[in-house]
Amino acid sequence: GAGVSQSPSNKVTEKGKDVELRCDPISGHTALYWYRQSLGQGLEFLIYFQGNSAPDKSGLPSDRFSAERTGGSVSTLTIQRTQQEDSAVYLCASSPSDRANEQFFGPGTRLTVL
Amino acid sequence: AQSVSQHNHHVILSEAASLELGCNYSYGGTVNLFWYVQYPGQHLQLLLKYFSGDPLVKGIKGFEAEFIKSKFSFNLRKPSVQWSDTAEYFCAVETGGYNKLIFGAGTRLAVHP
Repeated sequence: GAGVSQSPSNKVTEKGKDVELRCDPISGHTALYWYRQSLGQGLEFLIYFQGNSAPDKSGLPSDRFSAERTGGSVSTLTIQRTQQEDSAVYLCASSPSDRANEQFFGPGTRLTVL
Repeated sequence: AQSVSQHNHHVILSEAASLELGCNYSYGGTVNLFWYVQYPGQHLQLLLKYFSGDPLVKGIKGFEAEFIKSKFSFNLRKPSVQWSDTAEYFCAVETGGYNKLIFGAGTRLAVHP
């Protein structure tokens, strides 16, 4: 009964480097979401995948951010040329349908950009 | 743009005290409403949700929330808190058809024995 898993759990990088964050959703869940939680703030929606449909990228803060979902399962969030303001916890969630009926969250990746 | 406001950022209570955490949203259309909880060191997990029907929703661990459409509110309540309720609580809204949650900033609850 695996839940949503994310890797790495912690990532420290230098400003200007690229990072990749990985999310393994719950098996069979068709919808996958990425959120960002910055210090003292709520969760901020980044991107949403549903099946084979084009993703909803409306929450991505800049063109340095991109995400893909291969084979309808694993997703990778890539941040290019990281900046200090990118430091946050990046959370992935999945749900069994195309509605946010119940999103199951992973443990998150804590990204620190020095 | 839609937004969610949680007015209490930090709440400190003694065990057995009653709890009410405020949540207001700004959106005039149909909404689905959620409360999530994050216990120390654990994942976010769903506490309760409202889609339609009875505006008083009961969730896990004795929590309940009331949807008041006229006030755009979805306050979380518990009659008697326990030390184990110490956590951060997030209110979230899904506005019809957008398939993404808009979260409030969260409320940190500390319950002292």
